[in-house]
Amino acid sequence: GEDVEQSLFLSVREGDSSVINCTYTDSSSTYLYWYKQEPGAGLQLLTYIFSNMDMKQDQRLTVLLNKKDKHLSLRIADTQTGDSAIYFCAETAAAGNKLTFGGGTRVLVKP
Amino acid sequence: DTGVSQNPRHKITKRGQNVTFRCDPISEHNRLYWYRQTLGQGPEFLTYFQNEAQLEKSRLLSDRFSAERPKGSFSTLEIQRTEQGDSAMYLCASSQAGNTEAFFGQGTRLTVV
Repeated sequence: GEDVEQSLFLSVREGDSSVINCTYTDSSSTYLYWYKQEPGAGLQLLTYIFSNMDMKQDQRLTVLLNKKDKHLSLRIADTQTGDSAIYFCAETAAAGNKLTFGGGTRVLVKP
Repeated sequence: DTGVSQNPRHKITKRGQNVTFRCDPISEHNRLYWYRQTLGQGPEFLTYFQNEAQLEKSRLLSDRFSAERPKGSFSTLEIQRTEQGDSAMYLCASSQAGNTEAFFGQGTRLTVV
């Protein structure tokens, strides 16, 4: 079955870059997503990448996809205290189908 | 339209009671999804609808769980004879079929005591 793995925790200083990593096993994954969850809140879609791309940039966010190694990363430039949250990667085999999520990476931004 | 709306936000119930949650999706979205998230874990898929048709159900959805979307708009998730292991955040999301983006509600946090 599908499996999505993430490291549990990342600590970063304000102003530095953060890199959150994710690996997945399903070779039929077509869309890969990054969601942000703040305490007690739902999930906010940050960005997504289609499997035929290897990079996507959106303001402070850069997504890198290595399809051969089934590795996805999210880089946040100039990390701010408001970026402290749990970040989930997720994958799906087709647009609009169910998402399979990783366990989340808790990012703590220190001033 | 302010996004996906879920009610109630919090529910505390005694073990053995039935509970029902409601989700109102973004109005033009024809797909609606239910996920469950336990503490420290990522969301797990439960079921989804396209319009009023329930297209897929996870094995996580035991026979105590039932979901409906009678008119293809809002959806309800009912849990009968609740157990402590049902304590979790229940998340609803919606999207347009074939669209890449699914938008989540704030969730309903269920505590079974």
